[in-house]
Amino acid sequence: GEDVEQSLFLSVREGDSSVINCTYTDSSSTYLYWYKQEPGAGLQLLTYIFSNMDMKQDQRLTVLLNKKDKHLSLRIADTQTGDSAIYFCAETLYNQGGKLIFGQGTELSVKP
Amino acid sequence: NAGVTQTPKFQVLKTGQSMTLQCAQDMNHNSMYWYRQDPGMGLRLIYYSASEGTTDKGEVPNGYNVSRLNKREFSLRLESAAPSQTSVYFCASSESLTDTEAFFGQGTRLTVV
Repeated sequence: GEDVEQSLFLSVREGDSSVINCTYTDSSSTYLYWYKQEPGAGLQLLTYIFSNMDMKQDQRLTVLLNKKDKHLSLRIADTQTGDSAIYFCAETLYNQGGKLIFGQGTELSVKP
Repeated sequence: NAGVTQTPKFQVLKTGQSMTLQCAQDMNHNSMYWYRQDPGMGLRLIYYSASEGTTDKGEVPNGYNVSRLNKREFSLRLESAAPSQTSVYFCASSESLTDTEAFFGQGTRLTVV
């Protein structure tokens, strides 16, 4: 089946690390993504990871993939107030024509 | 540098009215998508078009129709709007279905009363 699950809210203090978690069910996924949505805007791709990788780091962002548990996480180091947004986990279902399926989104609130 | 442009940005409809949401991309992308975003449910795929001349149903196609008018444009039509279709609608495009990045428009906030 195709299901991507995320917790809905996360609140952190400025300067702390944020960890946003996601679970997915389709083992055929080849790419997994993190998108960011700022208030009143569309989604922008933050980063993605290929399914044969365990970890990907891009400046303050670290993506960890546990394929056995079908668990994906996004860690934001030194979280800033500008990081406040909704973060969506997504997977591409290549065995269904490449559909991009999103989780519910995690609203990250960064307090000064 | 327009990217993906959606019109209108806001719309209020009465139950039973019809309307078409327009989407155009200037990146020469082959694939285009329509999603709806509802609180606590993330984005759900309504319809997509892998390439010009093809359209396919997504997760929630009922009550909607689409037209891939040409490579640039992909419209979403509500023939008889219902309150359950109150949502924020996003159009997106990508080079292909297997491309790693989809580019999104700013969204259309639709209210059906």
